[in-house]
Amino acid sequence: AQSVTQPDIHITVSEGASLELRCNYSYGATPYLFWYVQSPGQGLQLLLKYFSGDTLVQGIKGFEAEFKRSQSSFNLRKPSVHWSDAAEYFCAVGLNQAGTALIFGKGTTLSVSS
Amino acid sequence: EPEVTQTPSHQVTQMGQEVILRCVPISNHLYFYWYRQILGQKVEFLVSFYNNEISEKSEIFDDQFSVERPDGSNFTLKIRSTKLEDSAMYFCASNRGVNEQFFGPGTRLTVL
Repeated sequence: AQSVTQPDIHITVSEGASLELRCNYSYGATPYLFWYVQSPGQGLQLLLKYFSGDTLVQGIKGFEAEFKRSQSSFNLRKPSVHWSDAAEYFCAVGLNQAGTALIFGKGTTLSVSS
Repeated sequence: EPEVTQTPSHQVTQMGQEVILRCVPISNHLYFYWYRQILGQKVEFLVSFYNNEISEKSEIFDDQFSVERPDGSNFTLKIRSTKLEDSAMYFCASNRGVNEQFFGPGTRLTVL
């Protein structure tokens, strides 16, 4: 069955420190991969996506993610975290097929300490 | 920048009542979706809709749920007889096909 695992439920990072959020997936084919961010009381905002090509993708707000096929992973990184990055982060996968569902991980809550 | 909008932002209803959640997808998008997120849990797919038909639905989307595109702009989710466990945040999303889905801000449904 298709699934997405985000092994870290909650991470606390000091402001200015680097960040890596883990995401592993189980899928029958090479999926489309996404990271979304959700601030409290807000909807889901797309940070970045991977469809094909360069396995290191750049997103908004200084985030990047690297697709590693051999590890079935798509980890999210940021070199220097800002207090405004505190939010919940969701990894999601989808098929290369129009109209199909996104499958989300359970999310990682990021807290930023000063 | 165009965005998906949803109304109301918060809906409170009594168990057994019908509710309709409304969404206006981005205007040139062709595929529409509903997801829900029970408090503290992950976002779960409910249904996708294309060309006035359901294209995919999950096990959650049982006979109590229905979707409709009543006109050229709105996309609605109806829950016929709400249960306590329907309390959740409901997200509408849309896209043009094989690309990222754009999500609305959500409607928080509280069933008492």
